[in-house]
Amino acid sequence: EVQLVESGGGLVQPGGSLRLSCAASAFTFSAYWMSWVRQAPGKGLEWVANIKQDGSETYYVDSVKGRFTISRDNAKNSLYLQMNSLRAEDTALYYCASFTIISRAFDYWGQGTLVIVSS
Amino acid sequence: QSALTQPASVSGSPGQSITISCTGTSSDVGGYSYVSWYQHHPDKAPKLMIFDVSYRPSGVSYRFSGSKSGNTAALTISGLRAEDEADYYCSSYTSRSTVIFGGGTKLTVL
Repeated sequence: EVQLVESGGGLVQPGGSLRLSCAASAFTFSAYWMSWVRQAPGKGLEWVANIKQDGSETYYVDSVKGRFTISRDNAKNSLYLQMNSLRAEDTALYYCASFTIISRAFDYWGQGTLVIVSS
Repeated sequence: QSALTQPASVSGSPGQSITISCTGTSSDVGGYSYVSWYQHHPDKAPKLMIFDVSYRPSGVSYRFSGSKSGNTAALTISGLRAEDEADYYCSSYTSRSTVIFGGGTKLTVL
């Protein structure tokens, strides 16, 4: 069974940094584009970033460009999200998901890790 | 970029059919066949229900179907069951190589 397990969330002050990780198992991680999707409290899903299989292409939602960096380590079956200059509006449950490029759909999801930006 | 437009809530009785709409623009929903639908129960991971407008992943019930006309996509659930009660989100690939979600629709099974 495919498993995506996020970690690294927590409470951070505005302007601070946090690095999220996502450990993948039971699927060919290196063959998939990967993504981060978030959900703020009481709000809907918001796509955050995508990364190509080899890391050569990355895409971001406008609100995080220049502050967040998505990366991956295929040898470790791991996905990362480096979050800098955090704002209160970045408070959310962050999901790791696989992104099937043929259909542009998120087919496998993790359970999420909670990030709270507050002083 | 604004979220795709979905109704905030829909409801139906067991056995009935409901349809959730998802309206975008020619730069997303109307321009591509890359519309997907997700079911999201509280405290669980979202689940892919429909991809490429109308295709069901393996294991998803035939009661779930998708369609699209112009800039508006739709998810229809037939034979409503109590376990279908959840939040539903549409998503679309965009001309900027990004992904956009709808605001979400809360389905209540009466």
